[in-house]
Amino acid sequence: GAGVSQTPSNKVTEKGKYVELRCDPISGHTALYWYRQSLGQGPEFLIYFQGTGAADDSGLPNDRFFAVRPEGSVSTLKIQRTERGDSAMYLCASSLTRWGLDTGELFFGEGSRLTVL
Amino acid sequence: GQQVMQIPQYQHVQEGEDFTTYCNSSTTLSNIQWYKQRPGGHPVFLIQLVKSGEVKKQKRLTFQFGEAKKNSSLHITATQTTDVGTYFCAGKADSNYQLIWGAGTKLIIKP
Repeated sequence: GAGVSQTPSNKVTEKGKYVELRCDPISGHTALYWYRQSLGQGPEFLIYFQGTGAADDSGLPNDRFFAVRPEGSVSTLKIQRTERGDSAMYLCASSLTRWGLDTGELFFGEGSRLTVL
Repeated sequence: GQQVMQIPQYQHVQEGEDFTTYCNSSTTLSNIQWYKQRPGGHPVFLIQLVKSGEVKKQKRLTFQFGEAKKNSSLHITATQTTDVGTYFCAGKADSNYQLIWGAGTKLIIKP
């Protein structure tokens, strides 16, 4: 597609529920990243995919968070048993190569704002 | 762990005044990137610096990477209303592949 697409743009859920957030990266971008951003803070790294595999998932805060990218394109971030502290903007980014080494550029989607009541 | 500190948190300027934000890393960086995030928007890539002492310019924006590759700055000359937003630095250390982000500096134009 023309840019990184994220759905839903807004998600309101109740504490304890399961949530899925979807990211469709720019066509041809092999690297995909998930970040979490709280108000007034910089993006916090969650996980990085190179192709289908999670090359670095060290940023996932706990085992309630999981992400997949089964065909090396679309990725889904899954959050189980949501907690109020999970409320944040979840940003997805893609780049052409690993960490965008050629130009360095990460292309971000508009984000999915998650609110856990 | 690796940290990137960014100051100031906010800067209020009159339109036409200059703006500067600074980033300092606890470890040597292999490169540093700068992004701009408009209110309600997502981060948009501005530039990447790789070389020690590197200086790059984009119109009214000047980016510097320190000699020790542990600090960087972004300077905007004669700010305009279109410059409003939060400016983030993001650094990558040699020892890992993560991009560590500063907390951002919010540029506010005084009415």
